[in-house]
Amino acid sequence: AQSVTQLDSQVPVFEEAPVELRCNYSSSVSVYLFWYVQYPNQGLQLLLKYLSGSTLVKGINGFEAEFNKSQTSFHLRKPSVHISDTAEYFCAVSDLSGAQKLVFGQGTRLTINP
Amino acid sequence: DVKVTQSSRYLVKRTGEKVFLECVQDMDHENMFWYRQDPGLGLRLIYFSYDVKMKEKGDIPEGYSVSREKKERFSLILESASTNQTSMYLCASMVGRGNQPQHFGDGTRLSIL
Repeated sequence: AQSVTQLDSQVPVFEEAPVELRCNYSSSVSVYLFWYVQYPNQGLQLLLKYLSGSTLVKGINGFEAEFNKSQTSFHLRKPSVHISDTAEYFCAVSDLSGAQKLVFGQGTRLTINP
Repeated sequence: DVKVTQSSRYLVKRTGEKVFLECVQDMDHENMFWYRQDPGLGLRLIYFSYDVKMKEKGDIPEGYSVSREKKERFSLILESASTNQTSMYLCASMVGRGNQPQHFGDGTRLSIL
């Protein structure tokens, strides 16, 4: 079974500052990794995913994430945030057996201050 | 673009009522999911379906059932609603296997009084 821990429940940053949202996972098998974003009053949208290959993955809206197998981490980063990035961010994993299920972290609320 | 439509954005029901939440997707996806979202707990899987009339329990199935009579529609049923089922409910669909993204509806905020 897999589990996902998002280390920060809330992250406040100033506009144009860099941000990192942390995600650690636990699994006895290899996994696929995802970051989703949820804007206010909306469902979740895919930001980016890691399936294999290069450990640095680029997604939409200038976000990127780095897969670190030894540290079982998949942290999300953006070099300069905007007010429009205010949202809740979820890290999720599924295993390579082909199972359809995703396991989600608890979520990190990103608040951008002007 | 994939569209996942949940029939209600907000719903208020009374304790003991039988409640139906409906979800429709327009991309012929074989997999559909129901989650509940609560602050600090993230998304928890209630049930999922990998084909018509097929279903599997997720992590928190107690008090819920599901129905999938047609490929595009997945219904979540609260057999006898209780106040602890007040939550945001999210439906999702997905093609293929675990390396594919899930596509979400906008959610139904359900209040049980």
